[in-house]
Amino acid sequence: KAGVTQTPRYLIKTRGQQVTLSCSPISGHRSVSWYQQTPGQGLQFLFEYFSETQRNKGNFPGRFSGRQFSNSRSEMNVSTLELGDSALYLCASSLEVPTNEKLFFGSGTQLSVL
Amino acid sequence: GENVEQHPSTLSVQEGDSAVIKCTYSDSASNYFPWYKQELGKGPQLIIDIRSNVGEKKDQRIAVTLNKTAKHFSLHITETQPEDSAVYFCAASRTGANNLFFGTGTRLTVIP
Repeated sequence: KAGVTQTPRYLIKTRGQQVTLSCSPISGHRSVSWYQQTPGQGLQFLFEYFSETQRNKGNFPGRFSGRQFSNSRSEMNVSTLELGDSALYLCASSLEVPTNEKLFFGSGTQLSVL
Repeated sequence: GENVEQHPSTLSVQEGDSAVIKCTYSDSASNYFPWYKQELGKGPQLIIDIRSNVGEKKDQRIAVTLNKTAKHFSLHITETQPEDSAVYFCAASRTGANNLFFGTGTRLTVIP
């Protein structure tokens, strides 16, 4: 079974631009979460989608948004990029099985903002 | 929200020795505690997890222990091998796997 797939693998943008990252979850997984990983702040939760609805949200500004499609694929968007948005953005998916949930991560998209 | 502290930040052991990484959490309602291993250029990989109704769980050379009263949990790796070298993260959540609070990571180096 294929793992979580994220595209693109690397991105370089300039301040003020916007960016869209894509994630395909493991087949059959309906929950998709996004995390930001930086050397200074570590792994921080952005948001989680289930059945095309945002179910949980972390403490990030409104410039960070996401969506999920009917096939469970997800995208996240960052508008008006800032230098501090440079990070590894990780997508993860899980199977909604009560008391047996496990989160599986993709390899991430490395975003550099210049 | 939840606050997870992880120690040590770096750990070097000789091949064959054991490694222990410790985490504490602040939210007494947290009930799910996974451990992830991250290798260079890859995303975190789940290696073991434990729920609050269990005190210990083992999977071959890896074990996790949980002390709910003290609000701390630990990862134990026995008979370490060079391929165990990586960054290890603990995490905690009160809502299952879908909103994890991570520790700051431990860089483990196994010296051949």
